[in-house]
Amino acid sequence: TQLLEQSPQFLSIQEGENLTVYCNSSSVFSSLQWYRQEPGEGPVLLVTVVTGGEVKKLKRLTFQFGDARKDSSLHITAAQPGDTGLYLCAGVSGGGADGLTFGKGTHLIIQP
Amino acid sequence: EAGVAQSPRYKIIEKRQSVAFWCNPISGHATLYWYQQILGQGPKLLIQFQNNGVVDDSQLPKDRFSAERLKGVDSTLKIQPAKLEDSAVYLCASSFLGLTGELFFGEGSRLTVL
Repeated sequence: TQLLEQSPQFLSIQEGENLTVYCNSSSVFSSLQWYRQEPGEGPVLLVTVVTGGEVKKLKRLTFQFGDARKDSSLHITAAQPGDTGLYLCAGVSGGGADGLTFGKGTHLIIQP
Repeated sequence: EAGVAQSPRYKIIEKRQSVAFWCNPISGHATLYWYQQILGQGPKLLIQFQNNGVVDDSQLPKDRFSAERLKGVDSTLKIQPAKLEDSAVYLCASSFLGLTGELFFGEGSRLTVL
């Protein structure tokens, strides 16, 4: 089973600040997905990145897939309380035999 | 479009008892997944179905866990007998394109084993 390590595990910042969370692995993934999960709910897909070096923007969120397709980052600009949640990265291996592997997530709290 | 439906939302049992969770995926989604999410951690895949066939059950503790998707639509996950460490949220997800597409998750079934 391929492992995805997410950092930091916990992050609490003030509204308006910028932040970056990371998702790293020693394995290559054919694609990587980012999900956000709120308490009592299932994860909801934010973005899928497929190409090494790819950058995708979703309003104030910027996602980057590493050139070697082993790592990814999520940058949030001017964080808002509504961004609070558990951010999960999930990778798909080339053969898909291991399924969708999730990291342990980054617990993000944006304080007003 | 209706989302992934799961029941029950909450279940409290004593160790060594049995429990069953039900999932109805989004209509037309051939792939169905059961994940276990322990508090504070990311989801761990237990089993993946493609229609009514098992694609991956390598992380399913088969001595106590079982799952079926007899007609290729809804699915049941059973735990018998339950252990304390089975306390977790059991998430069901479905997708149209398999792993290359978006997974749609249900709200989960929270199990507490006393």
